[in-house]
Amino acid sequence: QQQVKQSPQSLIVQKGGISIINCAYENTAFDYFPWYQQFPGKGPALLIAIRPDVSEKKEGRFTISFNKSAKQFSLHIMDSQPGDSATYFCAAATSGTYKYIFGTGTRLKVLA
Amino acid sequence: EAGVAQSPRYKIIEKRQSVAFWCNPISGHATLYWYQQILGQGPKLLIQFQNNGVVDDSQLPKDRFSAERLKGVDSTLKIQPAKLEDSAVYLCASSWAGGGGYTFGSGTRLTVV
Repeated sequence: QQQVKQSPQSLIVQKGGISIINCAYENTAFDYFPWYQQFPGKGPALLIAIRPDVSEKKEGRFTISFNKSAKQFSLHIMDSQPGDSATYFCAAATSGTYKYIFGTGTRLKVLA
Repeated sequence: EAGVAQSPRYKIIEKRQSVAFWCNPISGHATLYWYQQILGQGPKLLIQFQNNGVVDDSQLPKDRFSAERLKGVDSTLKIQPAKLEDSAVYLCASSWAGGGGYTFGSGTRLTVV
């Protein structure tokens, strides 16, 4: 019940295309859902986060869509660029402790 | 603001040896986390501190791992004795008290041979 399932494991997208990464969770107590971007040799960096009181949040080219009833959330990267090539992790936490449960990661490659 | 500092960046040790990692969080961040990231996997929480007190260490293998955060600032994570399966990147993160979007350091890559 504490798992966060992430898919796909890897993704190849053409420059300018849309990258979509999906996550699903079981624990309905989770109320904070961040996405992290990680480049090789670096720690994860917070990209965008959402709480279940909204269904969508957009920051620049990055959008989180949230479906509370399905217990699923996804990251959309619009106009994907080669510089977006990285590993993306979704996570879930309760706002009481913010102890993240991370997904397994998606390795994104954007072709120039 | 300065980021989360971690050292060393890399460490190679033989199994059964001991090793220690150091973390200096962002100034003013009350909450500090240590995560273990095994190659190809998402980070897994080991321990959470609030100031200098432990909030959660339920996933810390206490027979070999220990951590402390003296004076509520710097923290050290120790492994003694190390096993082959401890090979991973050890990430430190910090946040404001009650904050969700925390900042990670670049990590320490440990290889146990």
